[in-house]
Amino acid sequence: ILNVEQSPQSLHVQEGDSTNFTCSFPSSNFYALHWYRWETAKSPEALFVMTLNGDEKKKGRISATLNTKEGYSYLYIKGSQPEDSATYLCASAGGTSYGKLTFGQGTILTVHP
Amino acid sequence: DAGITQSPRHKVTETGTPVTLRCHQTENHRYMYWYRQDPGHGLRLIHYSYGVKDTDKGEVSDGYSVSRSKTEDFLLTLESATSSQTSVYFCAIRTGTGKSYEQYFGPGTRLTVT
Repeated sequence: ILNVEQSPQSLHVQEGDSTNFTCSFPSSNFYALHWYRWETAKSPEALFVMTLNGDEKKKGRISATLNTKEGYSYLYIKGSQPEDSATYLCASAGGTSYGKLTFGQGTILTVHP
Repeated sequence: DAGITQSPRHKVTETGTPVTLRCHQTENHRYMYWYRQDPGHGLRLIHYSYGVKDTDKGEVSDGYSVSRSKTEDFLLTLESATSSQTSVYFCAIRTGTGKSYEQYFGPGTRLTVT
């Protein structure tokens, strides 16, 4: 079982602030790293899938980077808005073809107006 | 929503009773997964399926069994529900090929075991 850790556990920012959080994962046998956004009372929604060292992905104000050699990924949100409030999950895919994901415990982001 | 539905959406049951949760998909995806969500744990994989009648255990499979007799349905059964199985259960399917696949989640089933 892969051990995926996320930090911080929770984060409170003001509207307009930029913020970032970290996902750490075992670098050996790396296959892919997933980021999900999870709003309360909804189901997780895929943000990014990253597979190559140095990958950078961007969707609107949200971007992510990947370092597979040292086993971490950063998620950045530029100019946070209240609607960005959610739990952000990362998940590591082991080196199999079954697509199994091991999730971190998530970072809960609250953006205050 | 990748055509995923879960039923029931909410259920309250008593300790010791059997419970079956259903995940239904309409897009013929091969891979399906059952997760449970618990505070402080994110999502944890219970069981998964890689084809009809092909299933395997995840990291928290004790007390759960699954069946997949047709592509569109993946059933999760709690043979004898316990209070520790109170949780929100999510089904997911996998789309895409190679390394760049994604998982799409159903709306969830909230199960309370009293």
